[in-house]
Amino acid sequence: TQLLEQSPQFLSIQEGENLTVYCNSSSVFSSLQWYRQEPGEGPVLLVTVVTGGEVKKLKRLTFQFGDARKDSSLHITAAQPGDTGLYLCAGAKGQGAQKLVFGQGTRLTINP
Amino acid sequence: DTAVSQTPKYLVTQMGNDKSIKCEQNLGHDTMYWYKQDSKKFLKIMFSYNNKELIINETVPNRFSPKSPDKAHLNLHINSLELGDSAVYFCASSPPGARGVRAHYGYTFGSGTRLTVV
Repeated sequence: TQLLEQSPQFLSIQEGENLTVYCNSSSVFSSLQWYRQEPGEGPVLLVTVVTGGEVKKLKRLTFQFGDARKDSSLHITAAQPGDTGLYLCAGAKGQGAQKLVFGQGTRLTINP
Repeated sequence: DTAVSQTPKYLVTQMGNDKSIKCEQNLGHDTMYWYKQDSKKFLKIMFSYNNKELIINETVPNRFSPKSPDKAHLNLHINSLELGDSAVYFCASSPPGARGVRAHYGYTFGSGTRLTVV
């Protein structure tokens, strides 16, 4: 059973379009993070959201944490080929939130 | 000036062999982790150490034994390798969190070790 469900799993769009990736769960997390992973490399942290309803912006990327802290979304405006990659959401769970549980990832391809 | 470094990057070995993967971090973090990423890119935690003490041990076969000689190193030894062990193994580290939330500030991952058992 997957704790965190990401959708879509695959997304291929044209440069300049907007897109949203969703990360959903029935569990409450103390914080939720988004990572981006390139081929042959480890995931790299993009953002951490902690408070329900929190919105964070990173240039053309907007991250939102759901009010109930069970879900999150990543919105990219005017996507560019450099945004291509595997996007992973991860929620902090356990006593003292000692571990991250990851979603299965969204493979994003931006075509020139 | 690599923050979390793993060696080797690639490891091809035969079934039944014993192998080790080494991990070192120079970030001064107090917690280190091993994650396994399968062919579908799903990342699952295996172990976590805080200041050399094991704090998370997920349902991992006894053939996997982590060792942390100090808080900057976390090695993974695997005995009697099986075909199903083939995957990419990632080491990661994290600093003390905020409000007791250890994962609060995110993890720094190494670049992974691709293990292929033939």
